[in-house]
Amino acid sequence: AQSVSQHNHHVILSEAASLELGCNYSYGGTVNLFWYVQYPGQHLQLLLKYFSGDPLVKGIKGFEAEFIKSKFSFNLRKPSVQWSDTAEYFCAVSPWISSGSARQLTFGSGTQLTVLP
Amino acid sequence: DAGVIQSPRHEVTEMGQEVTLRCKPISGHNSLFWYRQTMMRGLELLIYFNNNVPIDDSGMPEDRFSAKMPNASFSTLKIQPSEPRDSAVYFCASSAYDQSYGYTFGSGTRLTVV
Repeated sequence: AQSVSQHNHHVILSEAASLELGCNYSYGGTVNLFWYVQYPGQHLQLLLKYFSGDPLVKGIKGFEAEFIKSKFSFNLRKPSVQWSDTAEYFCAVSPWISSGSARQLTFGSGTQLTVLP
Repeated sequence: DAGVIQSPRHEVTEMGQEVTLRCKPISGHNSLFWYRQTMMRGLELLIYFNNNVPIDDSGMPEDRFSAKMPNASFSTLKIQPSEPRDSAVYFCASSAYDQSYGYTFGSGTRLTVV
């Protein structure tokens, strides 16, 4: 079974600072990788996803992530954060399948990002 | 596209009562997932369906929990009898046959059992 580790539980930054949130996964096969964001009191929204191809993935709101297969990592980055980026960020992984329906999405424990104005 | 629709948004019930949570997936999506979110345990997968068939229910906490998907446009998660430790936010998500579209989550049901 797959698992996901997010080592940063709470990150506090000032506006305009750069952000990098770590994500490592464990799985013996090919995976699909995701980053979701959850604003206070809201549901999870997809930031970006990686399925194949270019390991540098660009998502919404200026976020990007890089898949490094040799390190089993999928770190999230943003060059300059804003106060409105304050939220909880979840990394997730699902096994890749060539055909058929989806498989379960396994989440990390989340990283709470607080951006100070 | 209305997205994944869950009801109710909030539910407060007394211990021992039956609770039913509802989910309408996005039209055309053939996979549906139920997750539970708590501060202590984070996001846990409870059960998921492919083409209305339960595939993996190993995350269902105990026999008090049951889930059904009678058709492609509706699913329920039932807790009977409910207990205070069931208090959590329950999310439903759906995914298309082509996983590249990702998984779309509903707004969740916040359940409080007193």
